[in-house]
Amino acid sequence: DTGVSQNPRHKITKRGQNVTFRCDPISEHNRLYWYRQTLGQGPEFLTYFQNEAQLEKSRLLSDRFSAERPKGSFSTLEIQRTEQGDSAMYLCASSKRDSSYEQYFGPGTRLTVT
Amino acid sequence: AQSVTQLGSHVSVSEGALVLLRCNYSSSVPPYLFWYVQYPNQGLQLLLKYTTGATLVKGINGFEAEFKKSETSFHLTKPSAHMSDAAEYFCAVQGAQKLVFGQGTRLTINP
Repeated sequence: DTGVSQNPRHKITKRGQNVTFRCDPISEHNRLYWYRQTLGQGPEFLTYFQNEAQLEKSRLLSDRFSAERPKGSFSTLEIQRTEQGDSAMYLCASSKRDSSYEQYFGPGTRLTVT
Repeated sequence: AQSVTQLGSHVSVSEGALVLLRCNYSSSVPPYLFWYVQYPNQGLQLLLKYTTGATLVKGINGFEAEFKKSETSFHLTKPSAHMSDAAEYFCAVQGAQKLVFGQGTRLTINP
């Protein structure tokens, strides 16, 4: 069990560019979550997958954001036409489908839009 | 809808002193509550959780929290602070399939 991994750890991009982040969950976990954390704030929920199905999306997830989990394993989060307001830490978490509700977080991807 | 309020964005204690981080929640259903810790430039690590049963829950690194339904609180404590406890702490409540976090409390330990 190697934990949740995220790549890249840091991304600097210019406004208007597209970026894609990857999350690899713990292998036996079928639930995967994306959160966004801005400076000095707690994480905010973006979206959630159970296996390959995207079951819930936050209103924070504008139409410039898209997430996929094509085979129910790793997930990608893409931001199109980035804006300076997209600068944040993007956190991925995974959990088992049981009653514990324990979510295990990856180290995050810090995005800076210049 | 669920929500969490953490009282005090910054708490400073001396090494060896009691740590008390406050969390109040709002939930329309029996809550599942969590405390996470975040070190600089890292993800969140689960300290402890309350689901059902015993209201005093013990976690890692000597931390514990008590669920008080009448006060809608889930405060985090540690009897004796260590320098390595310096970090950001987040209280969270389970809402549907997602976690709803408070704004966090930054804990500073003075030598």
